[in-house]
Amino acid sequence: DTEVTQTPKHLVMGMTNKKSLKCEQHMGHRAMYWYKQKAKKPPELMFVYSYEKLSINESVPSRFSPECPNSSLLNLHLHALQPEDSALYLCASSQERDTGITNTEAFFGQGTRLTVV
Amino acid sequence: AQKITQTQPGMFVQEKEAVTLDCTYDTSDQSYGLFWYKQPSSGEMIFLIYQGSYDEQNATEGRYSLNFQKARKSANLVISASQLGDSAMYFCAMRGLIKAAGNKLTFGGGTRVLVKP
Repeated sequence: DTEVTQTPKHLVMGMTNKKSLKCEQHMGHRAMYWYKQKAKKPPELMFVYSYEKLSINESVPSRFSPECPNSSLLNLHLHALQPEDSALYLCASSQERDTGITNTEAFFGQGTRLTVV
Repeated sequence: AQKITQTQPGMFVQEKEAVTLDCTYDTSDQSYGLFWYKQPSSGEMIFLIYQGSYDEQNATEGRYSLNFQKARKSANLVISASQLGDSAMYFCAMRGLIKAAGNKLTFGGGTRVLVKP
């Protein structure tokens, strides 16, 4: 099983709504990521979790709140978003190695296309 | 800090011909990995090929090969015998390989490839 599953695939939400994006992988990967991708742009890293602990936060606004409840799940909680937050949100995972060498590729989900109205 | 540059925003290629996608990078890391991903219009990022900075031989995966020139800091992707299904956005990415580098995967701006029948 080499899949990263994201739900929902599409989401339309109002600026006052609270919603969550979900990501699941069963590859035993201990590093998980959230990326934001605007149209015709490369993915921009938002958060990285390593062994269920937040290891990188790329100065993301607090209206985005990540959560990693266990080694297979990664959530992104959304609250009071702005229209400019409309984008494709990609989840990814990769292996971590205790030796300190992490040279494996990241596997990506199909993404959630978010529209904020 | 890491920087990836893809200078070709878009390319046309004739079906069954080869195409080379350029990627140059800049990093202060001594040990790093270079990746190429394909993103069709559906949004999913599909891993294509990996090259480690310590690898002496260029990576190959089926119709994909990576022309790695470490001194020039370039990692060009060659797609041989192009197929209509190769039409997509292609991203070059890199990540430092030591633990202290974290898991930050940095992407270039991408190259859109359109294969003509």
